Formats: sequence, C-alpha cells, structure tokens
Amino acid sequence: GQSLEQPSEVTAVEGAIVQINCTYQTSGFYGLSWYQQHDGGAPTFLSYNGLDGLEETGRFSSFLSRSDSYGYLLLQELQMKDSASYFCAVRFPSGGYQKVTFGTGTKLQVIP
Amino acid sequence: DTGVSQNPRHKITKRGQNVTFRCDPISEHNRLYWYRQTLGQGPEFLTYFQNEAQLEKSRLLSDRFSAERPKGSFSTLEIQRTEQGDSAMYLCASSLVTLAGYNEQFFGPGTRLTVL
Repeated sequence: GQSLEQPSEVTAVEGAIVQINCTYQTSGFYGLSWYQQHDGGAPTFLSYNGLDGLEETGRFSSFLSRSDSYGYLLLQELQMKDSASYFCAVRFPSGGYQKVTFGTGTKLQVIP
Repeated sequence: DTGVSQNPRHKITKRGQNVTFRCDPISEHNRLYWYRQTLGQGPEFLTYFQNEAQLEKSRLLSDRFSAERPKGSFSTLEIQRTEQGDSAMYLCASSLVTLAGYNEQFFGPGTRLTVL
C-alpha cells in the first residue's frame, strides 16, 4: 500500500520561509506532487518532482530525494494569502496505469 | 470558464435517499477522477476513467456507489441509500495523460453532501 506523512500544522511569519516535509512509502513510485487548498476551495496544483532535486516556481520550490523517500515544499517570502492546507501526493503504478494518493495535508498559518 | 465544473455545489439529503452528482471536465482531458474529502483529510481516491473506461475503483467505493462516463466527456457519481457517513466533499478532477508523460490534475469546486 501507500502511506504519506506530513506535519499536521505549521505556523510561520509573513515574509519568512517555511518548509513542509513529506515522507512516503509506496510499492512503486513515479513522482511527488504538491497541491494547495484554501478553506472551502478546491486543491490546486503547485509542483511535481519526478526526478531527484529541486524544482523552482516563483516563490515556491519543491525537492525530492527518491533514495530517502522524502520531499519537501519550500515557500519563500510568505504572504498572508499563503495560509492554506498543503498536500503532498505520490504517483505510483497501479493495474497497468498510474494513480495518485494524497497525504493528510499540512495546515499552514501565516501570521503578521 | 474552461475549468472543471461540478453540480450541484451543495446537496442536503435524508438518509436512505439516492443522490447523483455531475462533473464536467476540461474538454480535452482524457482522464477523470473522483475523490472524497472529509474535514482535515486529504482527497481520498474513489475511482477514475480513461476516456469512457472505468479503470479502477477504490475499496472505499461500496456497492452503493456507482460512477459513469458514458461518452468519455462528463461523468456522474451516484450514491444509493445514502448514510450519514457519506457526508463529505466529493471532488472531481481531470487531466490529460499522454505517452509523453503525466500532467497535473485540475480539480473542480466539489459537491458538498450532507446526509441528515
């Protein structure tokens, strides 16, 4: 089966940097995605790592280490609007196709 | 608006009633997913379609749940004989999957089901 672990809550100050970690266990692995979800809203895609290393998209970066089954999302120059839940999601082979399993999410609170 | 749409946005029903939700994916997307999300949890996979073919159903999807995508475009999710435990947000997502690789899933706004 698949399991993902992320911290349930993180609090950070506006303008600071925060890192949200994700460790996973899967039988087969293609890549790790990150999604943002504001309260009452739909998840929106942030980034995807299929290979080891860092992917950067504006203020957001995501890192993957396949050997450690570990990844993280890095948010820089935090803004109040970044307060949301962040989910890591692992993509893995299933029945000849690919499937995605989501973690339980990290609720980020940005404070002034 | 060319995003994923879902209807209705909210549904309140009495236990034992049947409900049906609709999802309209992004038009060129060939894959469509249904998820269920409860408060404080991540989306839980229910089922997905590649065009009109239903490829996999989660063990979460009891016999009371059925999903269709008859023409490879919109999809419906039906829950029969609803139970209070079915109360959740039901999310639909779509993506374009090609031989060149995987693409992100785009989520709809969800249908919030409340079973009284």
